[in-house]
Amino acid sequence: LAKTTQPISMDSYEGQEVNITCSHNNIATNDYITWYQQFPSQGPRFIIQGYKTKVTNEVASLFIPADRKSSTLSLPRVSLSDTAVYYCLVGVNSGGYQKVTFGTGTKLQVIP
Amino acid sequence: SAVISQKPSRDICQRGTSLTIQCQVDSQVTMMFWYRQQPGQSLTLIATANQGSEATYESGFVIDKFPISRPNLTFSTLTVSNMSPEDSSIYLCSVDGGVRTGELFFGEGSRLTVL
Repeated sequence: LAKTTQPISMDSYEGQEVNITCSHNNIATNDYITWYQQFPSQGPRFIIQGYKTKVTNEVASLFIPADRKSSTLSLPRVSLSDTAVYYCLVGVNSGGYQKVTFGTGTKLQVIP
Repeated sequence: SAVISQKPSRDICQRGTSLTIQCQVDSQVTMMFWYRQQPGQSLTLIATANQGSEATYESGFVIDKFPISRPNLTFSTLTVSNMSPEDSSIYLCSVDGGVRTGELFFGEGSRLTVL
């Protein structure tokens, strides 16, 4: 399983765009890149997933360069409620079963 | 999406005792996963539970310490046996049931404190 490296923590002011980069140098051909958000006292929640290039949904965008050795989660105009831990994961999908490893995560603190 | 309910949500236990955590899913799923999250740490996969077969444990976790049952496609239990203070953690149940490839759904977790 590919190991991921991401910043331990980040601070941002409300209304700003936040970019969290994750390094996964040993990503395998079949691996997808997935980001999860975790609030205190809750289980992680899926944000976005991609394989290559750019993916966008109603919550975030995910940028993946051609070599796929890194990825960047972009949160537009963050609010206080976006304060959470964000995890980057890479894992193999095989028939709907994905075994993944959680990295250290990035603790995002949004400041008023 | 899948809705996962865990019981208990939290408990305080005495050293040497065992506690069983229940995980109920609102839909049938093939794979269920159990994670541990120690205070201030990330999630670590304990084991994968497939209905009708023995659970598969990750390195560092053994069946005698964390026996798992998976009697049907919507339910699983994790027992933390002979607990010590080092077992104080949040234990999370997860399923891979999303429409998207590989999306995991998590329960709220069971916070155990061992005295």
